[in-house]
Amino acid sequence: DSGVTQTPKHLITATGQRVTLRCSPRSGDLSVYWYQQSLDQGLQFLIQYYNGEERAKGNILERFSAQQFPDLHSELNLSSLELGDSALYFCASSPGESPLHFGNGTRLTVT
Amino acid sequence: EDQVTQSPEALRLQEGESSSLNCSYTVSGLRGLFWYRQDPGKGPEFLFTLYSAGEEKEKERLKATLTKKESFLHITAPKPEDSATYLCAVQDQAGTALIFGKGTTLSVSS
Repeated sequence: DSGVTQTPKHLITATGQRVTLRCSPRSGDLSVYWYQQSLDQGLQFLIQYYNGEERAKGNILERFSAQQFPDLHSELNLSSLELGDSALYFCASSPGESPLHFGNGTRLTVT
Repeated sequence: EDQVTQSPEALRLQEGESSSLNCSYTVSGLRGLFWYRQDPGKGPEFLFTLYSAGEEKEKERLKATLTKKESFLHITAPKPEDSATYLCAVQDQAGTALIFGKGTTLSVSS
């Protein structure tokens, strides 16, 4: 068990809808990262937060947004969902920058 | 642009048959190279961090090595429980997010 908790484990929704994925990092870890994993693209970095502030952005679509709250948990918001957004979404945390410890992901299916 | 390429994509071994997985990388100043193991339906599990060429790390049947252009994950006398996808990732000197390869899926049969 990595200590990183992600909810929900599975999410099925329709195109055009909006969903929120939640992540609780390991105790004491200030950095939270979001990754998307699809079969053809592998693990793609979306965004990083450090102690509530956005630190780095990767290949995150404008339809996606994230935030980190004062208690350090993070949420990833996905809106105007498309079929191609179906993927596994992972959250990872670290005390500073590395190594990252991953949760078990949220499997999003858009129908 | 930082890039990580892993080979082979898939590897089938018999129990006890040793082999190596390759991770080639290009990065603007390597801060660290990471190996992870991922089981189906689970998140990646951290294995090793390597920081400089010539460095080696070992854990049970796994040994990771690093050169200036690539890293190898050597698996000695593998067991069926070693079956998983092994991911390699790099972090550049800016110290931001890890850039991952697509992984090598290892299957070990008894």
